[in-house]
Amino acid sequence: GAVVSQHPSRVICKSGTSVKIECRSLDFQATTMFWYRQFPKQSLMLMATSNEGSKATYEQGVEKDKFLINHASLTLSTLTVTSAHPEDSSFYICSARRYNEQFFGPGTRLTVL
Amino acid sequence: AQSVSQHNHHVILSEAASLELGCNYSYGGTVNLFWYVQYPGQHLQLLLKYFSGDPLVKGIKGFEAEFIKSKFSFNLRKPSVQWSDTAEYFCAVNPPLGNDMRFGAGTRLTVKP
Repeated sequence: GAVVSQHPSRVICKSGTSVKIECRSLDFQATTMFWYRQFPKQSLMLMATSNEGSKATYEQGVEKDKFLINHASLTLSTLTVTSAHPEDSSFYICSARRYNEQFFGPGTRLTVL
Repeated sequence: AQSVSQHNHHVILSEAASLELGCNYSYGGTVNLFWYVQYPGQHLQLLLKYFSGDPLVKGIKGFEAEFIKSKFSFNLRKPSVQWSDTAEYFCAVNPPLGNDMRFGAGTRLTVKP
């Protein structure tokens, strides 16, 4: 149990386009999901906390207009990278909270050309 | 600033050697502590966790960790490593009254056969 999926696993896009990444909790409901960003050979940096039915809470320095988060249901949160630029290329990981634990998705590799 | 510190960036060991990876945190109050492993090309997997009770926690694959409250530490240990333990190891803390999780910078473990 407690499986989290992400789609797509890998995406390549042109600069200026928008990319949507989906995070789903497959076998449990998650009122809270989290979005992380991981640069090569670095740790996970929390970008935002996504709460079902309300606005996401962004960490300091994360542009909310650039990284749009929607948590429309108890099993789905989406991250949209708007007007992507090469510096947005990274590994994006979501997690879903269940009781006192977080369960992580496999990540999405975004490459912006 | 409150943080999670992993002192070793890259550890290289031979098979059968003993392992200890350091983790310190600077949050006061009651925290939940975790160790995650990320094998090459794979997503984060939970090795073990500490919420309360016995400060010596046993996890999967022969790993254990000891919570020492007075030292704000949660070091990861394994008596005898295997080549398959080659991976990135992350210490994480769920701060007091927080839903989110803060990660250390990670320690890359390379086990030579």
